Amino acid sequence: QVQLVQSGAEVKKPGASVRVSCTTSGYTFTQYYIYWVRQAPGQGLQWMGWINPNSGDTKYAQKFQGRVALARDTSISTAYMDLSGLRPDDTAIYYCIRDLAGRTLDIWGQGTMVTVSS
Amino acid sequence: DVVVSQSPLSLPVTPGEPASISCRSSQSLLYSNGYNYLNWFLQRPGQSPQLLIYLGSTRASGVPDRFSGSGSGTDFTLKISRVEAEDVGVYYCMQALHIPYTFGQGTKLEIK
Repeated sequence: QVQLVQSGAEVKKPGASVRVSCTTSGYTFTQYYIYWVRQAPGQGLQWMGWINPNSGDTKYAQKFQGRVALARDTSISTAYMDLSGLRPDDTAIYYCIRDLAGRTLDIWGQGTMVTVSS
Repeated sequence: DVVVSQSPLSLPVTPGEPASISCRSSQSLLYSNGYNYLNWFLQRPGQSPQLLIYLGSTRASGVPDRFSGSGSGTDFTLKISRVEAEDVGVYYCMQALHIPYTFGQGTKLEIK
């Protein structure tokens, strides 16, 4: 079955960077976009950007421009989210999601908790 | 950014009764291809969100038919014909036409 399995929880100091991985299985990785969304503790959902795993093209929310970079490794069907210049308000669960088509976010990863604290 | 507003924010429902959630967008979500780029998700406690409805009114695979989505342009509604205990959680709508894609604040459904 289709699965998106994310890397484990991270604790980082302010100013550091973090990489979250999203390993996919059960479908052809290059056929569907991967989205990234985050959720601060007890808060709602915030779209960060997407990557086209086939071409590597990316689109980011302006809020994160310059701090976020999405990448992929097609040889291992894995997408990555790099976030730099971490601040305490970046503390959140980060989700990767498959876009089945037409921005239909049908399969979500289990989430990765990133904590930013001095 | 497009503002997406949900109401109510809290929804206590008796099992077996219907429920309805409204989602309003500050800009039209109707694209020239005739589709409305509006998704509905349910986030059960401690879980990742799951897709319920996409393109405004199409049920996702495996979603019970007691869930339905309707609306066009700026006004959308999610209806549950008969609420069951497993429907407890936070419901989010999300507009996927205007970048940055944005979510509503969430509606917490609880069982009375």
